Amino acid sequence: AQSVTQLGSHVSVSEGALVLLRCNYSSSVPPYLFWYVQYPNQGLQLLLKYTTGATLVKGINGFEAEFKKSETSFHLTKPSAHMSDAAEYFCAASNNNAGNMLTFGGGTRLMVKP
Amino acid sequence: GAGVSQSPSNKVTEKGKDVELRCDPISGHTALYWYRQSLGQGLEFLIYFQGNSAPDKSGLPSDRFSAERTGGSVSTLTIQRTQQEDSAVYLCASSLGARGEKLFFGSGTQLSVL
Repeated sequence: AQSVTQLGSHVSVSEGALVLLRCNYSSSVPPYLFWYVQYPNQGLQLLLKYTTGATLVKGINGFEAEFKKSETSFHLTKPSAHMSDAAEYFCAASNNNAGNMLTFGGGTRLMVKP
Repeated sequence: GAGVSQSPSNKVTEKGKDVELRCDPISGHTALYWYRQSLGQGLEFLIYFQGNSAPDKSGLPSDRFSAERTGGSVSTLTIQRTQQEDSAVYLCASSLGARGEKLFFGSGTQLSVL
């Protein structure tokens, strides 16, 4: 069985500060890994994904994530937070052998203080 | 259509009534997914369709939940004899195939069971 854990249901940073949202997964096989963002009153949008190849993945809006197999992690970072980054962020994993069904983490609400 | 369309956007019902939620995926997308987003519980996978068939129904919470997809397009999620714990946002997503392709989410149906 696959599971995804996001540490911290709420993260608060100051505008301009580093954003770090943590995600760890457990899977019997290397999974596909995703970060989705849900802005207030909007649907989920894909930020970035890791499938194979380069372990550092760049996404939209200046976000990036690094797949670390040894740590079973896929943490999301952004060097400098912007007020518009305030949203709910979901880490998800898909086991290729089982198709494209996503297992989501519990979500992390990012708050950005002026 | 241009995106994944879900209807209704909001549904308020009385306990014990049946409800039907509709999802119209992006044209040409063969894979369709239903998720549930409950307050404080994150995103939960319900069911996945490849074409008209559902290889995995294990995520459906109870036998009150059922889903069908016809013509490889529109899907309906039906909840019979609704209970208050069914209150959640029900999200539909579609993808071109089923092997790690990008998921496109609808805006969801907010179901409130009184």
